[in-house]
Amino acid sequence: QKEVEQDPGPLSVPEGAIVSLNCTYSNSAFQYFMWYRQYSRKGPELLMYTYSSGNKEDGRFTAQVDKSSKYISLFIRDSQPSDSATYLCAMRGGGGSNYKLTFGKGTLLTVNP
Amino acid sequence: DAGVIQSPRHEVTEMGQEVTLRCKPISGHDYLFWYRQTMMRGLELLIYFNNNVPIDDSGMPEDRFSAKMPNASFSTLKIQPSEPRDSAVYFCASTRARAGNTGELFFGEGSRLTVL
Repeated sequence: QKEVEQDPGPLSVPEGAIVSLNCTYSNSAFQYFMWYRQYSRKGPELLMYTYSSGNKEDGRFTAQVDKSSKYISLFIRDSQPSDSATYLCAMRGGGGSNYKLTFGKGTLLTVNP
Repeated sequence: DAGVIQSPRHEVTEMGQEVTLRCKPISGHDYLFWYRQTMMRGLELLIYFNNNVPIDDSGMPEDRFSAKMPNASFSTLKIQPSEPRDSAVYFCASTRARAGNTGELFFGEGSRLTVL
């Protein structure tokens, strides 16, 4: 079993839809949870960051972490064609110098106008 | 500010040839990571450095792979000899250790390697 599991999709939705992306993980030591967005032929860029359990909202994006279930989610409201990209979950342990990130395989999202 | 700079952007080579990928991290960043991305395996960590010292190379697949960081502004990933299964996009990323840092990694645009 991989440390981080993510459904690769692809996921295709109409413009304006609510999108739900999810990851599960097995390593209880993970404390920091992130979502990266990767456009075609580009490097990943940080979209959302959450520490430990809870919710975080930023505009149309909401990140949720449930450490008891080892499950994290990203919700996109009012999805736009510009949201079409691959979304990768990423996580790391605690500690002041542990910056090693473990990534999910990514979910390819297409938002159709 | 310039981001992470990688070269070459694209490389096509024949099996058995030596490949060298280069990375210039963001100035002031003291962590540097090399990742490999394929459709089958996703984004995998190969090796990372802290203050130019290799910290964890457990992701380096074989002895054919080697990485160096001779100074704070330059790193190389070398494959010798290359094989078709090494075809992938290789990303370099950097970050800076500091209190309150989320640990966000800043990625380059990648080097797309095709080994024929």
